[in-house]
Amino acid sequence: NAGVTQTPKFQVLKTGQSMTLQCAQDMNHNSMYWYRQDPGMGLRLIYYSASEGTTDKGEVPNGYNVSRLNKREFSLRLESAAPSQTSVYFCATVPGHSMNTEAFFGQGTRLTVV
Amino acid sequence: QKEVEQDPGPLSVPEGAIVSLNCTYSNSAFQYFMWYRQYSRKGPELLMYTYSSGNKEDGRFTAQVDKSSKYISLFIRDSQPSDSATYLCAMSAGQAGTALIFGKGTTLSVSS
Repeated sequence: NAGVTQTPKFQVLKTGQSMTLQCAQDMNHNSMYWYRQDPGMGLRLIYYSASEGTTDKGEVPNGYNVSRLNKREFSLRLESAAPSQTSVYFCATVPGHSMNTEAFFGQGTRLTVV
Repeated sequence: QKEVEQDPGPLSVPEGAIVSLNCTYSNSAFQYFMWYRQYSRKGPELLMYTYSSGNKEDGRFTAQVDKSSKYISLFIRDSQPSDSATYLCAMSAGQAGTALIFGKGTTLSVSS
């Protein structure tokens, strides 16, 4: 089993470009989450999807959009990238509809916006 | 005040030392408390999980939760170089649709 797979692993964008970060899980989990991790800031929640067909904003949603394409896939889109979005992005999943059990993380996508 | 406060360190100790990592929080609704370990350039992985107050032990690791003080701790006994990583505390109220709130993480280095 692959668990939680994020693509791409690395990306460099120019300011104003758009891109979509992909997350896929093969664990049949209900909830999926996007976090960003910045030095000195810890992990901050961008968006989450507690079940297929629903999405909600987290702590830092500005500049991002998400799509829960199906139960397996949850994508994060940057429509017009800005240098402030330079970060490491992590996708996470949990079996239920809230994060009260172990969360499984992908390996991260390292994004640099120049 | 952030919901979860964690001293980012860095913390450097010699092999065999006892390590104490701590977090404080402000939201009294938090019921689920976790410690994640993150190696460099990897995703976080669950290390310890505690529901409500009390202690939990797993090998060299002990997690403590004091809800009255809004304070959680992770103790590592007989620390090893392989324990060198960033340790993130995380907590959740647990209701449907809620997510984990993380501390900033403490970077630990254990020297041999």
